[in-house]
Amino acid sequence: DIQMTQSPSSLSASVGDRVTITCRASQGISNYLAWYQQKPGRVPKVLIYAASTLQSGVPTRFSGSGSGTDFSLTISSLQPEDVGTYYCQKYDSAPHTFGPGTKVDIK
Amino acid sequence: EVQLLESGGGLVQPGGSLRLSCAAAGFTFSNYDMNWVRQAPGQGLEWVSAISNSRGRTWYADSVKGRFTISRDNSKNMLYLQMNSLRADDTAVYYCAKGYCDSTRCYGWVDPWGQGTLVTVSS
Repeated sequence: DIQMTQSPSSLSASVGDRVTITCRASQGISNYLAWYQQKPGRVPKVLIYAASTLQSGVPTRFSGSGSGTDFSLTISSLQPEDVGTYYCQKYDSAPHTFGPGTKVDIK
Repeated sequence: EVQLLESGGGLVQPGGSLRLSCAAAGFTFSNYDMNWVRQAPGQGLEWVSAISNSRGRTWYADSVKGRFTISRDNSKNMLYLQMNSLRADDTAVYYCAKGYCDSTRCYGWVDPWGQGTLVTVSS
């Protein structure tokens, strides 16, 4: 099965900073990658699918890029409400494995 | 508005069984793949299983294959997860989540998610 890794595992940044999280697949998955945000105590929600398509209603400070094995999620200007854990997920074929997550907080 | 409401969680002994249910509303249930995703306490997300919209094809994580069975009743807008031979490491919040389908096919990313139901496997 394809394994998903994320880096860093956690980060602390200032409000307004540009933040980038990377996700790597152990084999190519084309652009079949989604990003999810889980705020503390809340249910996860999708931010991006097809590697770079922003889900309706998601702020435009979030963006995604990549294809094949290497992907990234960027928050162009970190806001206090962005605190939480971010997960990537492959969905080219089952199993639709999630990455281990990246915890983001405010410095 | 899409609504997903899980039920059936609780405390079960190792080796026991439990059946989770997810009641769906606010969309044409039979048109969409459905998924179960779990999250152990303080841990990350783990995709568990998925079932296709109408043909009933199923897929499982290796960690649950042979022990869990996903099913659906499109006439009742219900999704199920039968869990047998439960182990301590199955302890988690189990989320029901709707897959995304466009005019040509369905995809494995999910949104929205239900609120989850807690399964605790312990003696």
